[in-house]
Amino acid sequence: GESVGLHLPTLSVQEGDNSIINCAYSNSASDYFIWYKQESGKGPQFIIDIRSNMDKRQGQRVTVLLNKTVKHLSLQIAATQPGDSAVYFCAEIIVPFGNEKLTFGTGTRLTIIP
Amino acid sequence: GAVVSQHPSRVICKSGTSVKIECRSLDFQATTMFWYRQFPKQSLMLMATSNEGSKATYEQGVEKDKFLINHASLTLSTLTVTSAHPEDSSFYICSARDERQYFGPGTRLTVL
Repeated sequence: GESVGLHLPTLSVQEGDNSIINCAYSNSASDYFIWYKQESGKGPQFIIDIRSNMDKRQGQRVTVLLNKTVKHLSLQIAATQPGDSAVYFCAEIIVPFGNEKLTFGTGTRLTIIP
Repeated sequence: GAVVSQHPSRVICKSGTSVKIECRSLDFQATTMFWYRQFPKQSLMLMATSNEGSKATYEQGVEKDKFLINHASLTLSTLTVTSAHPEDSSFYICSARDERQYFGPGTRLTVL
């Protein structure tokens, strides 16, 4: 089965509030994680990444937290805007035989309520 | 950031026909491109890894004779769905790797 999964399939947040999207992974050997945003009918868009030797990384309005002890990843979006409505995927990099392969989680649909 | 294009954006074809989808890296060269398939309300599933100048590497359960991949140049990979059937209807997305993977906008395939 998939080694990366999400706790919640849907999330609704009031505009301006902060949102947290969670992701669990099972492969303790994964050393690189990425969050993607996918709008309807489009390809995934890179948001932020984090390596396994880090616990936290911040970008513009987004923060990714990595807890290797419980194999948990989260994406925090601050001051949400209507344009943040999309499906968010976490993905991990598995590197067999020198080829990097992305394994995507199941996705969480985030809806921002005006 | 790097730009990846796909053509066509959507295609409708009859059952039994073949469809070719192109994936281009517009502003960088990519020795490795990837092809994914995404069914409605599901995640992206890797189909194959396309390597320039060599054979593609297919994931388990993906028929290489049905999904032909050609990576003839450093900026172009093509996916041909041969003898398409309605169950092949899906959203096909490619990515090209520079310092990380950049995704194309996807191709919606509908097989009647």
